[in-house]
Amino acid sequence: AQSVTQLDSHVSVSEGTPVLLRCNYSSSYSPSLFWYVQHPNKGLQLLLKYTSAATLVKGINGFEAEFKKSETSFHLTKPSAHMSDAAEYFCVVTRGGMRFGAGTRLTVKP
Amino acid sequence: NAGVTQTPKFQVLKTGQSMTLQCAQDMNHEYMSWYRQDPGMGLRLIHYSVGAGITDQGEVPNGYNVSRSTTEDFPLRLLSAAPSQTSVYFCASSYSIPSIMNTEAFFGQGTRLTVV
Repeated sequence: AQSVTQLDSHVSVSEGTPVLLRCNYSSSYSPSLFWYVQHPNKGLQLLLKYTSAATLVKGINGFEAEFKKSETSFHLTKPSAHMSDAAEYFCVVTRGGMRFGAGTRLTVKP
Repeated sequence: NAGVTQTPKFQVLKTGQSMTLQCAQDMNHEYMSWYRQDPGMGLRLIHYSVGAGITDQGEVPNGYNVSRSTTEDFPLRLLSAAPSQTSVYFCASSYSIPSIMNTEAFFGQGTRLTVV
């Protein structure tokens, strides 16, 4: 069985400060992991994906995620938040279909 | 290039009514899937298809039917709508099964369904 847990339902940061969105996964084999972003009233867009080629994955808009097998984590980070980063973020593990975490809503304060 | 197109964008149904949510993609993707999004629960997989003529159930298939007669189209049918099916529905497509080759999924804009 596989599942993904997003540890925070809501994260609030100030513009220009770092962002950390946490994701833990469980999988009985080497997982495929993704982060998707959903802006208000929009569909989902791929931020980045873990391909097993490198544990540190770079995505769009300055986001990164690090795969840590020992901690079964795939946390999403960004050094400096921008107002346009305010959105819902989903960590996803896949087998057959995609299994989504519950989501983390990121708020960015001016 | 339209990508993944869902229709309608909004729909209100009465309990017991039936309807079909349409999904079409123009990227020649083999894999298509339907999800529902409910507050605090992320997206949950309803049904998926790995190619024309092949469908399978996801996490929450009850109350929904699908078919895949062509590569392009993957409609979702609600046979007898219930208030518990009030949700936002997303269709997605990808070149292959997402767990193979870490394939990116492309999503439609969603259908907001209310059952009263």
